[in-house]
Amino acid sequence: GEDVEQSLFLSVREGDSSVINCTYTDSSSTYLYWYKQEPGAGLQLLTYIFSNMDMKQDQRLTVLLNKKDKHLSLRIADTQTGDSAIYFCAETYRYSRAGNNRKLIWGLGTSLAVNP
Amino acid sequence: NAGVTQTPKFRILKIGQSMTLQCTQDMNHNYMYWYRQDPGMGLKLIYYSVGAGITDKGEVPNGYNVSRSTTEDFPLRLELAAPSQTSVYFCASTGDTLNSPLHFGNGTRLTVT
Repeated sequence: GEDVEQSLFLSVREGDSSVINCTYTDSSSTYLYWYKQEPGAGLQLLTYIFSNMDMKQDQRLTVLLNKKDKHLSLRIADTQTGDSAIYFCAETYRYSRAGNNRKLIWGLGTSLAVNP
Repeated sequence: NAGVTQTPKFRILKIGQSMTLQCTQDMNHNYMYWYRQDPGMGLKLIYYSVGAGITDKGEVPNGYNVSRSTTEDFPLRLELAAPSQTSVYFCASTGDTLNSPLHFGNGTRLTVT
């Protein structure tokens, strides 16, 4: 079945770059997302990439997609203590021709700790 | 613009009690979801709805019920609370296009003792 996998923990020093990795299994994915969850809060969309793209850059965030290996990564440049959070990778794909029905598959989340 | 609003924020229930977790959104989204989040287990889909009057089971529906009488509201009902339902519950909604992201509420932290 469909699956999204992420490493559970990452620790970096403030000012370094962070790279959070994700692998997925479904080859019909249309969009891949990165969400951020700060303590005690819901998930917020950070960025997303369409499956026919290789890279997307948004300020300090760079998303790289390797479709052949089904590998997605999120790079955060100049990581700050405010970036400490759980980062979720998710893929979505359409499973029904009727309407716009889609499925969203989530990874377990990567807990990023930024040390001063 | 409130987005997705969940109430209550916290609740403690005794085993066997019932309660309804409220979720409302003001974005006119057709798709709404209920997830539970347990430590280290990611998000598990409980129920979802693709529009008013239409609901369907997710991965972990047992012990829960939902209704969707309006586009705005998607309440989650626990009929006989069990300790296994201790969790953080998130409601989310999204628009009709495939690239529409999910908008999440801030969650309800439920403890069943």
